[in-house]
Amino acid sequence: RKEVEQDPGPFNVPEGATVAFNCTYSNSASQSFFWYRQDCRKEPKLLMSVYSSGNEDGRFTAQLNRASQYISLLIRDSKLSDSATYLCVVYNFNKFYFGSGTKLNVKP
Amino acid sequence: NAGVTQTPKFQVLKTGQSMTLQCAQDMNHEYMSWYRQDPGMGLRLIHYSVGAGITDQGEVPNGYNVSRSTTEDFPLRLLSAAPSQTSVYFCASSYGGALGYTFGSGTRLTVV
Repeated sequence: RKEVEQDPGPFNVPEGATVAFNCTYSNSASQSFFWYRQDCRKEPKLLMSVYSSGNEDGRFTAQLNRASQYISLLIRDSKLSDSATYLCVVYNFNKFYFGSGTKLNVKP
Repeated sequence: NAGVTQTPKFQVLKTGQSMTLQCAQDMNHEYMSWYRQDPGMGLRLIHYSVGAGITDQGEVPNGYNVSRSTTEDFPLRLLSAAPSQTSVYFCASSYGGALGYTFGSGTRLTVV
C-alpha cells in the first residue's frame, strides 16, 4: 500500500472556480503534512504546511483530518497561474513521502 | 543564498557507465534526500540523511550509493547505469520534519 495516495486528475476548471483536492495517508503516526506545487519540468515548491486546526493562505485553505487520515486543499477563485500539479506530502520517521500528484488545469 | 544546487542539469550515459550527481546546500540543513521522478510514479525516495555521517536507504536504493561527509554535500553515485535509471533526479534539504523540503532544480538523466 502506498504511503500517500492522491487522485491524479486532471481537474479541468474555469477561471474563478473553487476546486478541492484530497489525499489519504496510510501511517497514523505521521507527524507533519504539506502541500507542494510542481510546474511542468520544474522542481516541487512548498505551497503550505497543513495543521490539525486547518490553515489558510490567501485563496488556499488546507485541512487535516487525523482520524480519517486525509488531507485536503481548497483553492478559491482559481487563476490561470494555478495550473500545476499539486503534491500531497507526509513526514514520518525522518522521511518525507510524496503522493503522485493531482493535475489542475485552469481554463480561461 | 544559493539554496540547493544540483549539478549537472542534464546528462546522457551509456549503459554500464558510472557517475556522480552532485548536491550542495548552503542553508545548514541537517536533512537531505535524493528522489527520482518518473512519469506517473511521483517522487520516490532513493536515499536520505539526517546529518553528516548518517545515511539510510529509501524506497528504491538499488543501483545507487550515497555518502554525507559534510553537512553541505550529499552526492549520489550511480554504480553501473541502466536504462531503468533514466529519470529526473531531485535533491532536497530541510532543517527538520516540521518544515518541509527545499528542492534543487533537478538533474535530467538519460541512460542509453
